[in-house]
Amino acid sequence: QKEVEQDPGPLSVPEGAIVSLNCTYSNSAFQYFMWYRQYSRKGPELLMYTYSSGNKEDGRFTAQVDKSSKYISLFIRDSQPSDSATYLCAMGTGGGATNKLIFGTGTLLAVQP
Amino acid sequence: DARVTQTPRHKVTEMGQEVTMRCQPILGHNTVFWYRQTMMQGLELLAYFRNRAPLDDSGMPKDRFSAEMPDATLATLKIQPSEPRDSAVYFCASGPGTGLSSPLHFGNGTRLTVT
Repeated sequence: QKEVEQDPGPLSVPEGAIVSLNCTYSNSAFQYFMWYRQYSRKGPELLMYTYSSGNKEDGRFTAQVDKSSKYISLFIRDSQPSDSATYLCAMGTGGGATNKLIFGTGTLLAVQP
Repeated sequence: DARVTQTPRHKVTEMGQEVTMRCQPILGHNTVFWYRQTMMQGLELLAYFRNRAPLDDSGMPKDRFSAEMPDATLATLKIQPSEPRDSAVYFCASGPGTGLSSPLHFGNGTRLTVT
């Protein structure tokens, strides 16, 4: 079993829809959680990060962490065609020196105009 | 806008040949990571460095892969001999190494095809 599980999709939604992306994990030592967005033939870029449990909002994006359930989510409101990309969750056991992250396999999202 | 630079962007080679991939981290970043991305496995950590010293290369096949940082501006990942199963996109990422507020910055990868 992988430390981080993510539904690969693909997920296709109409423009304006609310998108929910999710990851589960098994390592209770994970403390910080990130979402990366990856466009085709590009490297991943950081979208959101949170520490421990709770919510964080940034514009149309909301990240949620539920450590008791070992479950994290990314919500995208009013989705746009430009949101079409692969979304990767990533997790680490602590900040400080290493920033070592374990990634999910990614969910491919297509927003149809 | 500072970015991680990887070369070459694409590499096609025959099985058994040596492959060297290069990475220029963002100036001032002291942690450097090598990841491999495939459809089946996603992003897998191969090795990472802090202040040019290798901290963990347990994700790397030791018999054929090697990673080095000859200086603070260059990281290399070498495969010798290459095999078809090494075909993947190899990403380098760098970070300031100071915790939560310092996300990893990725290059655009080297797409390796071994025939």
